[in-house]
Amino acid sequence: QKEVEQNSGPLSVPEGAIASLNCTYSDRGSQSFFWYRQYSGKSPELIMFIYSNGDKEDGRFTAQLNKASQYVSLLIRDSQPSDSATYLCAVSPTGGNNRLAFGKGNQVVVIP
Amino acid sequence: GAGVSQSPRYKVAKRGQDVALRCDPISGHVSLFWYQQALGQGPEFLTYFQNEAQLDKSGLPSDRFFAERPEGSVSTLKIQRTQQEDSAVYLCASSPSNEQFFGPGTRLTVL
Repeated sequence: QKEVEQNSGPLSVPEGAIASLNCTYSDRGSQSFFWYRQYSGKSPELIMFIYSNGDKEDGRFTAQLNKASQYVSLLIRDSQPSDSATYLCAVSPTGGNNRLAFGKGNQVVVIP
Repeated sequence: GAGVSQSPRYKVAKRGQDVALRCDPISGHVSLFWYQQALGQGPEFLTYFQNEAQLDKSGLPSDRFFAERPEGSVSTLKIQRTQQEDSAVYLCASSPSNEQFFGPGTRLTVL
């Protein structure tokens, strides 16, 4: 079982709509959760982190964490063409020296 | 302020050559991480330093991979006798606590 799973295929959303991304993780003891945005040919850029159950909002982004169900999600409101990128979910496993375990990413395409 | 920098940005090596990849972390960041990212995949952990101490090298794929951070700032990832399967983007990240900030990466191509 992979540490972090992002199973959805590419996501196409019209400009102005909400993009919803999901991620599950296997280590129930994980405490830190991150979403990175990666443009093609560029390095990952941290956009959200969440440590507690519930929702955390930052601008157009909302991260949601449910530790009981072991999933993390990211909502992008009012999607813009500049949001077109791959979104990587990352989890810091228990006893992992703060290393990050990444999912394979979800590609988001915002259609003008 | 300045972010994480890495050099070279691109490296082409012939199979069997040794390569050295450099990472300059954000000033004052105690923690430094190396990751390997294959095309279409998420980054995979290689090794972790806290200051000059290498606390975790469990992700290094073979004994051909070696990393150091002798003075607790700049780090070098060395790959000996490169193989085609080593072709990937090598990412360095530094961290003041929990959040990790990535450099631009070095794209290594082994021919």
